[in-house]
Amino acid sequence: EPEVTQTPSHQVTQMGQEVILRCVPISNHLYFYWYRQILGQKVEFLVSFYNNEISEKSEIFDDQFSVERPDGSNFTLKIRSTKLEDSAMYFCASRKVRQGNEAFFGQGTRLTVV
Amino acid sequence: AQSVAQPEDQVNVAEGNPLTVKCTYSVSGNPYLFWYVQYPNRGLQFLLKYITGDNLVKGSYGFEAEFNKSQTSFHLKKPSALVSDSALYFCAVRDTGDDKIIFGKGTRLHILP
Repeated sequence: EPEVTQTPSHQVTQMGQEVILRCVPISNHLYFYWYRQILGQKVEFLVSFYNNEISEKSEIFDDQFSVERPDGSNFTLKIRSTKLEDSAMYFCASRKVRQGNEAFFGQGTRLTVV
Repeated sequence: AQSVAQPEDQVNVAEGNPLTVKCTYSVSGNPYLFWYVQYPNRGLQFLLKYITGDNLVKGSYGFEAEFNKSQTSFHLKKPSALVSDSALYFCAVRDTGDDKIIFGKGTRLHILP
């Protein structure tokens, strides 16, 4: 069964460093998302991406964050200058175009900023 | 703007008993409603959804949910709980015309042997 894959599973980085989290969405999906979850609590929406551009973003998704679909298969989240409070589990998700379709989530990347 | 409320942080149920995990929502248009489950150190796994039609929807692992438009609720149910159902459950909503899916804060379900 097709699935969303995320790499790496765990990333440790120093405060102020740039990180790139990578995702390979399901191949026939056209909507892509990034979410984050802090300490196993609420799942927070960061950004949605469709037709090679951001369709919606939350207040969390400030100028330090960016997303890219560089090659038609990967979908990346970049944090330019990480802060301690960026430590979280980051989930990538994708869904088909048709209205009402559910999103499928990857296993997540645990980002630890030290 | 859409929102989701899960009023219970934790629900404890004895194995074999029926379970209910509550969810209410708020949207400006028509809702697409979802339940997801998360096991420890895992991603979110889709359980079931309501799009339109029959108010009672059935999903994976014997779970079902009832859409109630007048009460703006979408409670998750199962007739007979298993210990293996213990996990974190998230209700989610997407408003028609929106791309983002908004999640509730989650309810931890403990099934007691």
